[in-house]
Amino acid sequence: AQSVSQHNHHVILSEAASLELGCNYSYGGTVNLFWYVQYPGQHLQLLLKYFSGDPLVKGIKGFEAEFIKSKFSFNLRKPSVQWSDTAEYFCAVRNSGNTPLVFGKGTRLSVIA
Amino acid sequence: DTAVSQTPKYLVTQMGNDKSIKCEQNLGHDTMYWYKQDSKKFLKIMFSYNNKELIINETVPNRFSPKSPDKAHLNLHINSLELGDSAVYFCASTRTRRYYNEQFFGPGTRLTVL
Repeated sequence: AQSVSQHNHHVILSEAASLELGCNYSYGGTVNLFWYVQYPGQHLQLLLKYFSGDPLVKGIKGFEAEFIKSKFSFNLRKPSVQWSDTAEYFCAVRNSGNTPLVFGKGTRLSVIA
Repeated sequence: DTAVSQTPKYLVTQMGNDKSIKCEQNLGHDTMYWYKQDSKKFLKIMFSYNNKELIINETVPNRFSPKSPDKAHLNLHINSLELGDSAVYFCASTRTRRYYNEQFFGPGTRLTVL
């Protein structure tokens, strides 16, 4: 069965620092990959997604992620974080069509001034 | 305008009660899901359902039952609530297409069992 690992449980950064959150999945077949963000007390919002094509995908709010098939990874990056990026970030993977998403355990990002 | 809506947003109830959470999507999607987010923020699928097939995560107790009156609704009914059922429950939906079928999530229902 598919599993997703997010290596960092809690990341604390100063404003303007660069961010990279790791995500690895286990199943090697065709996958769809997602990053979701959950701001405090709010619901899940899609940051970006990968289905096919260019492995470097750009999302909202200056986030991007790179799909590296050989490493089963889909790391999230942002060159300069802001205080408003404080949130929980979830990587999710799906093997095919309408199968449910398998989520990682999330990474809490705290951005301090 | 809300794509996926859930009611109620908050639900506080006593152990042993039976409760329902409603979910509606106005996106014309054909597949809907229920996810549970526990106190450690871990999200896990409970059910997926389209008008042909209900798929149940085998770890979900049979006190939980999804009910779909039509394609736009997937309600979650919970019998004999237990303390461990306290969590945030998210509904989601998607259109079954081969390459582009992002899931849209509802705002969540925070269930507290006392």
